[in-house]
Amino acid sequence: QKEVEQNSGPLSVPEGAIASLNCTYSDRGSQSFFWYRQYSGKSPELIMSIYSNGDKEDGRFTAQLNKASQYVSLLIRDSQPSDSATYLCAPRKEGYSSASKIIFGSGTRLSIRP
Amino acid sequence: NAGVTQTPKFQVLKTGQSMTLQCAQDMNHNSMYWYRQDPGMGLRLIYYSASEGTTDKGEVPNGYNVSRLNKREFSLRLESAAPSQTSVYFCASSRLGVELEQYFGPGTRLTVT
Repeated sequence: QKEVEQNSGPLSVPEGAIASLNCTYSDRGSQSFFWYRQYSGKSPELIMSIYSNGDKEDGRFTAQLNKASQYVSLLIRDSQPSDSATYLCAPRKEGYSSASKIIFGSGTRLSIRP
Repeated sequence: NAGVTQTPKFQVLKTGQSMTLQCAQDMNHNSMYWYRQDPGMGLRLIYYSASEGTTDKGEVPNGYNVSRLNKREFSLRLESAAPSQTSVYFCASSRLGVELEQYFGPGTRLTVT
């Protein structure tokens, strides 16, 4: 079993709709979760972090965490063409307190169609 | 601030050649990382350095060595390049701590023929 599982996509969503990106992880001890966005040919950039069960909203983005189900998701409301990118789910690997080590999923490619 | 910089941006090597990828950050971060990214594999950690003077292996360290030259610079060396090391290499940095974000450099696209 992979440590982080994401549907590779592509996920095609019409402009203005809600895009829903899902991620499951295997390490029950993970306490911190990150979503990175990566445009084609560019480096990843952090867009959301979540540490507690429930929802966390930041503008058009909402991260949802369910530790019991080992599931984290990212919702993008009012999707824009500029949201077209690959989204990487990244739980923190526990037990490495000397450095912030995270494990990346392979990503879901999101395409927003006009 | 330049953030995280990497050189070179592109490199083509022949099997068996050696080279060093350079990374520097100007954010006064303690921790630095080297990742490789291959299609369908996501980002995989090669080596990391929690602080100046320390380095540790990540998920895929074989065939690589690293040097944390000072707080700003963290280099990755391929002693004898192999076609399996064809990949995009990213350097990243973060402050020392528990729940902190990583900042990535622009990447180096390496091809080994």
